[in-house]
Amino acid sequence: DAGVIQSPRHEVTEMGQEVTLRCKPISGHDYLFWYRQTMMRGLELLIYFNNNVPIDDSGMPEDRFSAKMPNASFSTLKIQPSEPRDSAVYFCASSSDLTLGPQHFGDGTRLSIL
Amino acid sequence: AQKITQTQPGMFVQEKEAVTLDCTYDTSDPSYGLFWYKQPSSGEMIFLIYQGSYDQQNATEGRYSLNFQKARKSANLVISASQLGDSAMYFCAMREIPEIQGAQKLVFGQGTRLTINP
Repeated sequence: DAGVIQSPRHEVTEMGQEVTLRCKPISGHDYLFWYRQTMMRGLELLIYFNNNVPIDDSGMPEDRFSAKMPNASFSTLKIQPSEPRDSAVYFCASSSDLTLGPQHFGDGTRLSIL
Repeated sequence: AQKITQTQPGMFVQEKEAVTLDCTYDTSDPSYGLFWYKQPSSGEMIFLIYQGSYDQQNATEGRYSLNFQKARKSANLVISASQLGDSAMYFCAMREIPEIQGAQKLVFGQGTRLTINP
């Protein structure tokens, strides 16, 4: 079975540029999550969706961050304009609402803002 | 307040020994789930094991078992017969099941870096 697919795996860009991270959840999963991982703050939940609808975006750091889920098989996390402090690993995860089962993570996008 | 506490930033264990990674949690919800994830140096997050708050028995998955002590609010991960490939960061996480239907927020601890020595 295909897992959560994230792209790109690595992104290096200059400060001020727009960055778009992409995620394809596991087919049939109704929940999609975006996390950020840094050494200082560990794993933080940024936002999550249920049936393509954003449920909780309280973890989104500021207005420069936005996330969309136009359909059940695709989501984007956008940073505009990017800043060096946005450098981190960004994970997408998905889960089913049928059980108390786990969230399955993608391999992450390692983002470096110069 | 910290919801998930992992008190061991790093652990070193000899190959083939058993290892216990500590995790304590804080919640007032009667219904919750506890998870352990492994993050090897390659960076991906791998789900290992799950324990529900109402489960009567400790969860087991192969060499992994979860020592769930509800009264003490602890959910320690036990790895039996450790292998070199077990070297990784290990994260404990909790999902509370609040009254709001569908809310599935997962809160992670800071992790324990496990190193298995040959």
